[in-house]
Amino acid sequence: ELKVEQNPLFLSMQEGKNYTIYCNYSTTSDRLYWYRQDPGKSLESLFVLLSNGAVKQEGRLMASLDTKARLSTLHITAAVHDLSATYFCAVDRVPFNKFYFGSGTKLNVKP
Amino acid sequence: DTEVTQTPKHLVMGMTNKKSLKCEQHMGHRAMYWYKQKAKKPPELMFVYSYEKLSINESVPSRFSPECPNSSLLNLHLHALQPEDSALYLCASSHSTMRQVGDIQYFGAGTRLSVL
Repeated sequence: ELKVEQNPLFLSMQEGKNYTIYCNYSTTSDRLYWYRQDPGKSLESLFVLLSNGAVKQEGRLMASLDTKARLSTLHITAAVHDLSATYFCAVDRVPFNKFYFGSGTKLNVKP
Repeated sequence: DTEVTQTPKHLVMGMTNKKSLKCEQHMGHRAMYWYKQKAKKPPELMFVYSYEKLSINESVPSRFSPECPNSSLLNLHLHALQPEDSALYLCASSHSTMRQVGDIQYFGAGTRLSVL
């Protein structure tokens, strides 16, 4: 069974600070997704990382993938309050597009 | 348009009721999914439909019955639910279930279900 671990589970940070969320997975997979979920809302796709060394950036968020280490990171630069949400990473498994989600990281950015 | 529409947004039902959740997408996606999400937990996969055929059932109790009438619609029929079934039910769709580059799952807003 593929396991996906995220840390930290909770992250409280001040506006303007930088931080990184980590996502480790247990078996080989070269496709990783990051989603954002606001309270009571659906999941919004942020990034798809398709290969080793992939790096994607959108605004203050940057995601990277190291398939050899089975590790993805989501780096937050100069956090703002609007980034407060829960962030999930997910890894899929052949042959079906079956997602294995991490536990989620609840981010609270304090003004 | 990357919209997946779910109805109703909220549903309260008794343990003897029969109700249905509906999901619709018009992106031409051929894979559709039902997830269950409890508070402060990640989504848990329930069912996967590929080309209108059930391809994955994650050992879901028979009180949940999925149906895919056509490539745009996905239903989840509910009968004799238990209070522990109260959760947010999310529908998602993707281009297909075959491994393709960037096969993102797009999620609907969910139905918040309360079983009394």
